[in-house]
Amino acid sequence: SQQGEEDPQALSIQEGENATMNCSYKTSINNLQWYRQNSGRGLVHLILIRSNEREKHSGRLRVTLDTSKKSSSLLITASRAADTASYFCATKANAGGTSYGKLTFGQGTILTVHP
Amino acid sequence: EAQVTQNPRYLITVTGKKLTVTCSQNMNHEYMSWYRQDPGLGLRQIYYSMNVEVTDKGDVPEGYKVSRKEKRNFPLILESPSPNQTSLYFCASSPRTWATKNIQYFGAGTRLSVL
Repeated sequence: SQQGEEDPQALSIQEGENATMNCSYKTSINNLQWYRQNSGRGLVHLILIRSNEREKHSGRLRVTLDTSKKSSSLLITASRAADTASYFCATKANAGGTSYGKLTFGQGTILTVHP
Repeated sequence: EAQVTQNPRYLITVTGKKLTVTCSQNMNHEYMSWYRQDPGLGLRQIYYSMNVEVTDKGDVPEGYKVSRKEKRNFPLILESPSPNQTSLYFCASSPRTWATKNIQYFGAGTRLSVL
């Protein structure tokens, strides 16, 4: 079953604005990752945050993780038209059992950045 | 170039006609996985493999088979395709299954239509 739930399902902004996407999950995790997908293409890994981390940065990306609320957010600052894509969170459960090595993806947020 | 290669990229077939979608990675990754992506449902895992001759069911394995005879290849087999298997399929690979980092590298996708 899908564990990650992204919010909002779709987001439309102007170039230069910031975009924030949220992800909630249900079970204990080892790490949480964000992926990007351009229309009809394969997913590309953006950033990984471990369960013992609270915030991580990579270029214009900022990810936060709140394990007490089982939620994460992805912030894209100073967005560009080229950021237009779908963004997915994916969780890796703690090791052991049938969840060993498995990533569970959410349904994604469609981001549109208008020039 | 490090990559995951899927073939074919597009496939139209008829109900009941066996087909195979190939997946090959050149990164010596242990972990490989197949997903299907459907509108509103996100990515769902079909099967995964943690190493040669080790495969296991994901969330939606019904109607699919896989094999892992070599480390680099992980074909997806549909013995008797049905229209509900019309979807966008992705193969992915990952270098580790037990470490905290489980970043997955995706192929470009195979769009399958079953008539």
